[in-house]
Formats: sequence, C-alpha cells, structure tokens
Amino acid sequence: DAKTTQPNSMESNEEEPVHLPCNHSTISGTDYIHWYRQLPSQGPEYVIHGLTSNVNNRMASLAIAEDRKSSTLILHRATLRDAAVYYCILSVYFGNEKLTFGTGTRLTIIP
Amino acid sequence: NAGVTQTPKFRVLKTGQSMTLLCAQDMNHEYMYWYRQDPGMGLRLIHYSVGEGTTAKGEVPDGYNVSRLKKQNFLLGLESAAPSQTSVYFCASSYEREPMGAQYFGPGTRLLVL
Repeated sequence: DAKTTQPNSMESNEEEPVHLPCNHSTISGTDYIHWYRQLPSQGPEYVIHGLTSNVNNRMASLAIAEDRKSSTLILHRATLRDAAVYYCILSVYFGNEKLTFGTGTRLTIIP
Repeated sequence: NAGVTQTPKFRVLKTGQSMTLLCAQDMNHEYMYWYRQDPGMGLRLIHYSVGEGTTAKGEVPDGYNVSRLKKQNFLLGLESAAPSQTSVYFCASSYEREPMGAQYFGPGTRLLVL
C-alpha cells in the first residue's frame, strides 16, 4: 500500500493561514488524496479530496504537487475550532474498499 | 437529518461476553463501514458493506461479525469479547464507493473489556 508521511504536530496562530503538508512518494496514478480531521472526542470529519488538480471547498483548499508525491491542506484562516488531528489518506482500491488512516498531524491553534 | 448514529455510546464488558453495536444512517447511503481506533493509532477498518445484504472483511476482521439486513443499519457483533477489543468503535457511511465518496462518521462507541 502506498503510505503517507505527516508531521506529528503543528502549531498555528488564530486567524492565520495554516499549511499542513503530506508526503506520498509511492502514490500510484489512480490514488485519490483525501483529508479528514478528527476533533477531540468526535468521529472523523471529511475535509476535502482530489486526484491531480488543486481543489477548493468551503472548509479548505488542497494543493497537489505536479508529480503528486506531496500535497498540502490549506486552512485559509484558522480558528480555535480547527484544532484537531488531520489525516492525509490515499484511497486505494484493491477490491476492498478502504481508507487507511495513519496517525495524522495534531494541529494546535494558539489564541 | 441525524446523520450517522451509534448505540450504545459506552459499554463495559467482561471477557467472554457478547454484544452488538448498532449503527444507523438516514442518508440513504449504500456503503457502510466499521472502524476501530486505539490510542496512538489511526483508525483501522474492521468490516464494510457495499449494500443491503452484503458484507466484506476489512483490515482487522478477526473476532467480529457484521450484518446489513436493512440498508440503513449496520451491526457489529462481538461473539466472545477479549481485552484486546477494548477500543473506540466508529461507524461510517458513504453514498459512493471509494475513492469518490466522502465517508460520514458517527460519534463512536467506547468499549472497555475487562
């Protein structure tokens, strides 16, 4: 399985943009890049996903490198509610539908 | 819409006891999933279903059984609970299959096996 590498933790100031990196150097051509986040004591929440082009939605933006070996989740203006563990996941289809969650990046927002 | 709900929220079992965790979704989703999350680890897929009446094994299926008799419900059973099954269990559902479909998660069931 292709794997992702994320920093264990990051800090950011409130109301500042946040760039969360993810490396996936063994990504295959058909793997989608998903981002989920998990707030304390809650289930994961879908954030965004993409294949090759950059993607934007109301929550965040996803910037995908041209070689697709890395991507960056961008929170444009962090709030305290954005403090969570962020998971970068490659969606792999082998006949088993699965999302493989790693340990993610714990994002702390400083007031 | 309630989204994805899970019952119970918390349960304590003794080793060898059995129990069923219930997941319900009101979004008419075809796909449903059961994950477990252990401290310091990401979520791991136990079983999943691609439609009513179907089930399939995920990454860590041993010790668990599932059933999807109704489209809106996905049951996870532990026949003989073991301390290694102490975990937080999350159910999820999606309209489309991966990699296109976002998964919507429930709030979790915290299970302690003594």
